[in-house]
Amino acid sequence: EPEVTQTPSHQVTQMGQEVILRCVPISNHLYFYWYRQILGQKVEFLVSFYNNEISEKSEIFDDQFSVERPDGSNFTLKIRSTKLEDSAMYFCASSPTGGGYGYTFGSGTRLTVV
Amino acid sequence: DAKTTQPPSMDCAEGRAANLPCNHSTISGNEYVYWYRQIHSQGPQYIIHGLKNNETNEMASLIITEDRKSSTLILPHATLRDTAVYYCIVIVKAAGNKLTFGGGTRVLVKP
Repeated sequence: EPEVTQTPSHQVTQMGQEVILRCVPISNHLYFYWYRQILGQKVEFLVSFYNNEISEKSEIFDDQFSVERPDGSNFTLKIRSTKLEDSAMYFCASSPTGGGYGYTFGSGTRLTVV
Repeated sequence: DAKTTQPPSMDCAEGRAANLPCNHSTISGNEYVYWYRQIHSQGPQYIIHGLKNNETNEMASLIITEDRKSSTLILPHATLRDTAVYYCIVIVKAAGNKLTFGGGTRVLVKP
């Protein structure tokens, strides 16, 4: 069964450093997403991406965040200057057409900012 | 998107059916009911979805009331691996729509 692959599985970074979280979505999917989950809290939408541009973003997704699809396979989330409150699990997801079903999530990257 | 209400937690005996309720009294005519689950901080996993008819797949059954204001996810024979947080989400089935997760129901399957 096709999978969404995320790397690394764990990332520890110092406050103020830049981090890039990487995702390989399912190859024939067209919509890509990032979600995050702070420990003990709900899964929160960050951003959706379609046709090489952001289609929707949440209030969380401020100027410190950016997404990119640098080639035909990778989808990345960059946090420019990490804060302690950015510590969370970050989930990448992709879907063929969107609309709730057909979403496949990756297993996540646990980001710890120290 | 319509708001959903789920019990925060429930226990279930292994091998028995688990019935997970969800209220969505403000659901609109074009909104679907989706169920996802999250096993111990893994990425959420799609289970099933429906509009107004009951649905069944290899994982679960979805029963939607006639007025569509509530639904029940049924895991017919719960196993220990079904221990997870289950999310009921109501959204319009449109391209690129984001999922809005609530608190879900934490299901503990006990031997």
